[in-house]
Amino acid sequence: DAGITQSPRHKVTETGTPVTLRCHQTENHRYMYWYRQDPGHGLRLIHYSYGVKDTDKGEVSDGYSVSRSKTEDFLLTLESATSSQTSVYFCAISESAYRVKQGGTEAFFGQGTRLTVV
Amino acid sequence: GQQVMQIPQYQHVQEGEDFTTYCNSSTTLSNIQWYKQRPGGHPVFLIQLVKSGEVKKQKRLTFQFGEAKKNSSLHITATQTTDVGTYFCAGEDSNYQLIWGAGTKLIIKP
Repeated sequence: DAGITQSPRHKVTETGTPVTLRCHQTENHRYMYWYRQDPGHGLRLIHYSYGVKDTDKGEVSDGYSVSRSKTEDFLLTLESATSSQTSVYFCAISESAYRVKQGGTEAFFGQGTRLTVV
Repeated sequence: GQQVMQIPQYQHVQEGEDFTTYCNSSTTLSNIQWYKQRPGGHPVFLIQLVKSGEVKKQKRLTFQFGEAKKNSSLHITATQTTDVGTYFCAGEDSNYQLIWGAGTKLIIKP
Protein backbone atom coordinates (compact mmCIF):
# COMPACT_ATOMS: atom_id res chain seq x y z
CA ASP A 1 0.00 0.00 0.00
CA ALA A 2 1.05 3.57 -0.69
CA GLY A 3 2.17 5.61 2.30
CA ILE A 4 -1.07 7.32 3.26
CA THR A 5 -2.20 7.76 6.83
CA GLN A 6 -5.55 9.14 7.92
CA SER A 7 -6.26 10.30 11.42
CA PRO A 8 -8.31 9.77 13.39
CA ARG A 9 -9.68 6.43 12.16
CA HIS A 10 -12.89 6.82 14.13
CA LYS A 11 -14.55 9.86 15.63
CA VAL A 12 -17.86 10.64 17.30
CA THR A 13 -18.69 14.29 17.64
CA GLU A 14 -21.66 16.45 18.52
CA THR A 15 -23.69 18.54 16.12
CA GLY A 16 -22.33 22.04 15.78
CA THR A 17 -18.75 21.28 16.74
CA PRO A 18 -15.81 21.76 14.38
CA VAL A 19 -13.95 18.64 13.26
CA THR A 20 -10.65 18.30 11.43
CA LEU A 21 -9.51 15.16 9.66
CA ARG A 22 -5.91 14.73 8.63
CA CYS A 23 -4.35 12.98 5.67
CA HIS A 24 -0.60 12.45 5.57
CA GLN A 25 1.35 11.00 2.64
CA THR A 26 4.96 9.94 2.25
CA GLU A 27 4.82 9.46 -1.55
CA ASN A 28 5.37 13.09 -2.57
CA HIS A 29 2.36 12.86 -4.89
CA ARG A 30 1.06 16.13 -6.24
CA TYR A 31 -2.68 15.49 -6.08
CA MET A 32 -4.61 14.83 -2.90
CA TYR A 33 -8.34 14.27 -2.56
CA TRP A 34 -11.01 14.01 0.07
CA TYR A 35 -13.99 11.78 -0.65
CA ARG A 36 -16.99 10.75 1.36
CA GLN A 37 -18.62 7.38 0.93
CA ASP A 38 -22.25 6.72 1.74
CA PRO A 39 -24.39 3.68 0.90
CA GLY A 40 -25.83 3.93 -2.58
CA HIS A 41 -23.68 6.91 -3.54
CA GLY A 42 -20.27 5.42 -4.10
CA LEU A 43 -17.43 7.90 -3.70
CA ARG A 44 -18.17 11.60 -3.88
CA LEU A 45 -15.43 14.18 -4.17
CA ILE A 46 -15.45 16.89 -1.50
CA HIS A 47 -12.31 18.88 -2.26
CA TYR A 48 -9.01 18.23 -3.93
CA SER A 49 -5.57 19.78 -4.07
CA TYR A 50 -3.15 20.02 -6.97
CA GLY A 51 -0.30 21.51 -4.99
CA VAL A 52 0.64 23.35 -1.84
CA LYS A 53 -2.01 25.99 -1.15
CA ASP A 54 -3.80 25.03 -4.39
CA THR A 55 -7.20 23.55 -3.74
CA ASP A 56 -10.53 23.33 -5.49
CA LYS A 57 -14.08 22.22 -4.75
CA GLY A 58 -15.59 18.90 -5.61
CA GLU A 59 -19.21 17.99 -6.09
CA VAL A 60 -20.18 18.00 -2.38
CA SER A 61 -18.06 20.78 -0.89
CA ASP A 62 -20.73 22.67 1.09
CA GLY A 63 -19.95 22.63 4.81
CA TYR A 64 -16.33 21.58 4.27
CA SER A 65 -13.06 23.42 3.93
CA VAL A 66 -9.54 22.17 3.27
CA SER A 67 -5.99 23.31 3.64
CA ARG A 68 -2.67 22.12 2.28
CA SER A 69 0.31 23.96 3.74
CA LYS A 70 2.77 21.15 2.98
CA THR A 71 2.97 18.61 0.19
CA GLU A 72 2.47 15.74 2.59
CA ASP A 73 -0.54 17.00 4.56
CA PHE A 74 -4.12 17.67 3.48
CA LEU A 75 -6.63 18.68 6.14
CA LEU A 76 -10.40 18.48 5.89
CA THR A 77 -12.42 20.65 8.27
CA LEU A 78 -16.10 20.46 9.01
CA GLU A 79 -16.76 23.96 10.30
CA SER A 80 -19.92 23.00 12.19
CA ALA A 81 -20.69 19.32 11.97
CA THR A 82 -24.20 18.18 11.07
CA SER A 83 -25.79 14.73 11.18
CA SER A 84 -25.81 14.65 7.36
CA GLN A 85 -22.01 14.64 7.50
CA THR A 86 -21.97 11.28 9.22
CA SER A 87 -20.02 9.21 6.72
CA VAL A 88 -16.82 7.40 5.94
CA TYR A 89 -14.17 9.80 4.68
CA PHE A 90 -11.35 8.68 2.42
CA CYS A 91 -8.24 10.53 1.48
CA ALA A 92 -6.58 9.64 -1.82
CA ILE A 93 -3.43 10.64 -3.65
CA SER A 94 -2.29 10.45 -7.24
CA GLU A 95 0.59 11.56 -9.37
CA SER A 96 0.18 14.34 -11.88
CA ALA A 97 -1.44 13.48 -15.18
CA TYR A 98 -0.51 14.87 -18.53
CA ARG A 99 -2.24 14.54 -21.86
CA VAL A 100 0.94 13.23 -23.51
CA LYS A 101 0.85 10.26 -21.18
CA GLN A 102 -2.53 9.32 -22.61
CA GLY A 103 -4.30 9.10 -19.41
CA GLY A 104 -3.95 9.70 -15.74
CA THR A 105 -2.61 7.58 -13.01
CA GLU A 106 -4.37 5.57 -10.39
CA ALA A 107 -5.48 6.88 -7.04
CA PHE A 108 -4.20 5.37 -3.79
CA PHE A 109 -6.53 5.50 -0.84
CA GLY A 110 -6.03 5.80 2.87
CA GLN A 111 -7.76 3.48 5.32
CA GLY A 112 -10.66 5.83 5.88
CA THR A 113 -12.12 7.75 8.82
CA ARG A 114 -15.52 6.80 10.15
CA LEU A 115 -17.17 9.97 11.43
CA THR A 116 -20.40 9.95 13.39
CA VAL A 117 -22.15 13.21 14.21
CA VAL A 118 -24.71 12.86 17.00
CA GLY B 1 -22.91 17.32 -15.03
CA GLN B 2 -20.86 14.44 -16.28
CA GLN B 3 -21.96 11.09 -14.90
CA VAL B 4 -20.83 7.51 -14.89
CA MET B 5 -23.67 5.07 -14.38
CA GLN B 6 -22.78 1.65 -13.03
CA ILE B 7 -25.07 -1.38 -12.98
CA PRO B 8 -26.18 -3.48 -11.30
CA GLN B 9 -26.04 -2.07 -7.77
CA TYR B 10 -25.91 -5.58 -6.30
CA GLN B 11 -25.32 -9.03 -7.73
CA HIS B 12 -25.81 -12.28 -5.88
CA VAL B 13 -24.06 -15.29 -7.40
CA GLN B 14 -23.32 -18.83 -6.38
CA GLU B 15 -19.65 -19.55 -5.97
CA GLY B 16 -18.36 -20.67 -9.35
CA GLU B 17 -20.80 -18.56 -11.36
CA ASP B 18 -19.70 -15.60 -13.44
CA PHE B 19 -20.15 -11.93 -12.55
CA THR B 20 -20.29 -8.82 -14.72
CA THR B 21 -20.60 -5.12 -13.92
CA TYR B 22 -21.09 -2.37 -16.49
CA CYS B 23 -20.28 1.33 -16.59
CA ASN B 24 -21.63 3.92 -18.98
CA SER B 25 -20.53 7.52 -19.28
CA SER B 26 -22.51 10.44 -20.66
CA THR B 27 -19.35 11.73 -22.36
CA THR B 28 -16.13 10.38 -23.82
CA LEU B 29 -13.52 9.45 -21.25
CA SER B 30 -9.74 9.79 -21.39
CA ASN B 31 -9.39 6.50 -19.59
CA ILE B 32 -11.29 4.31 -17.18
CA GLN B 33 -10.03 2.76 -13.98
CA TRP B 34 -11.40 -0.11 -11.92
CA TYR B 35 -11.14 -0.48 -8.18
CA LYS B 36 -12.14 -3.14 -5.67
CA GLN B 37 -13.22 -2.43 -2.11
CA ARG B 38 -13.41 -5.30 0.32
CA PRO B 39 -16.00 -5.06 3.13
CA GLY B 40 -14.70 -2.61 5.72
CA GLY B 41 -11.72 -1.70 3.55
CA HIS B 42 -10.66 1.02 1.19
CA PRO B 43 -10.75 1.08 -2.63
CA VAL B 44 -7.77 -0.59 -4.24
CA PHE B 45 -6.73 0.04 -7.81
CA LEU B 46 -7.12 -2.92 -10.17
CA ILE B 47 -6.43 -1.68 -13.67
CA GLN B 48 -6.56 1.23 -16.09
CA LEU B 49 -7.82 1.10 -19.68
CA VAL B 50 -6.80 3.85 -22.07
CA LYS B 51 -7.30 2.79 -25.67
CA SER B 52 -10.54 2.49 -27.59
CA GLY B 53 -11.68 -1.15 -27.66
CA GLU B 54 -8.99 -2.21 -25.21
CA VAL B 55 -9.30 -5.56 -23.45
CA LYS B 56 -7.13 -6.55 -20.51
CA LYS B 57 -7.09 -9.70 -18.41
CA GLN B 58 -5.95 -10.41 -14.90
CA LYS B 59 -6.35 -14.12 -14.22
CA ARG B 60 -10.14 -14.60 -13.98
CA LEU B 61 -10.92 -10.90 -14.47
CA THR B 62 -11.52 -9.42 -17.94
CA PHE B 63 -11.80 -5.67 -18.44
CA GLN B 64 -13.10 -4.00 -21.59
CA PHE B 65 -13.21 -0.38 -22.77
CA GLY B 66 -15.74 0.44 -25.45
CA GLU B 67 -14.91 1.63 -28.94
CA ALA B 68 -16.38 5.06 -28.23
CA LYS B 69 -14.61 5.24 -24.85
CA LYS B 70 -17.93 5.77 -23.11
CA ASN B 71 -18.52 2.36 -21.60
CA SER B 72 -16.62 -0.36 -19.85
CA SER B 73 -17.20 -3.72 -18.24
CA LEU B 74 -15.57 -6.02 -15.73
CA HIS B 75 -16.24 -9.74 -16.00
CA ILE B 76 -15.18 -12.30 -13.42
CA THR B 77 -15.19 -15.94 -14.45
CA ALA B 78 -15.96 -18.63 -11.88
CA THR B 79 -16.26 -16.41 -8.83
CA GLN B 80 -14.54 -17.34 -5.59
CA THR B 81 -15.22 -16.17 -2.04
CA THR B 82 -12.15 -13.94 -2.28
CA ASP B 83 -13.91 -11.93 -5.00
CA VAL B 84 -16.48 -10.59 -2.52
CA GLY B 85 -16.56 -6.81 -2.34
CA THR B 86 -17.70 -3.75 -4.22
CA TYR B 87 -16.28 -2.99 -7.64
CA PHE B 88 -16.08 0.61 -8.77
CA CYS B 89 -15.33 2.10 -12.13
CA ALA B 90 -13.93 5.61 -12.37
CA GLY B 91 -13.68 7.48 -15.63
CA GLU B 92 -11.19 10.26 -16.12
CA ASP B 93 -12.55 13.31 -17.89
CA SER B 94 -10.71 15.90 -19.95
CA ASN B 95 -9.88 17.87 -16.78
CA TYR B 96 -8.09 14.85 -15.25
CA GLN B 97 -10.88 14.42 -12.72
CA LEU B 98 -12.15 10.97 -11.81
CA ILE B 99 -15.90 10.51 -12.14
CA TRP B 100 -16.93 7.53 -10.03
CA GLY B 101 -19.63 4.98 -10.63
CA ALA B 102 -21.75 4.07 -7.61
CA GLY B 103 -20.26 0.58 -7.47
CA THR B 104 -21.53 -2.97 -7.83
CA LYS B 105 -21.55 -5.11 -4.73
CA LEU B 106 -20.71 -8.76 -5.39
CA ILE B 107 -22.31 -11.13 -2.91
CA ILE B 108 -21.49 -14.83 -2.95
CA LYS B 109 -24.43 -17.00 -1.90
CA PRO B 110 -23.53 -19.82 0.48
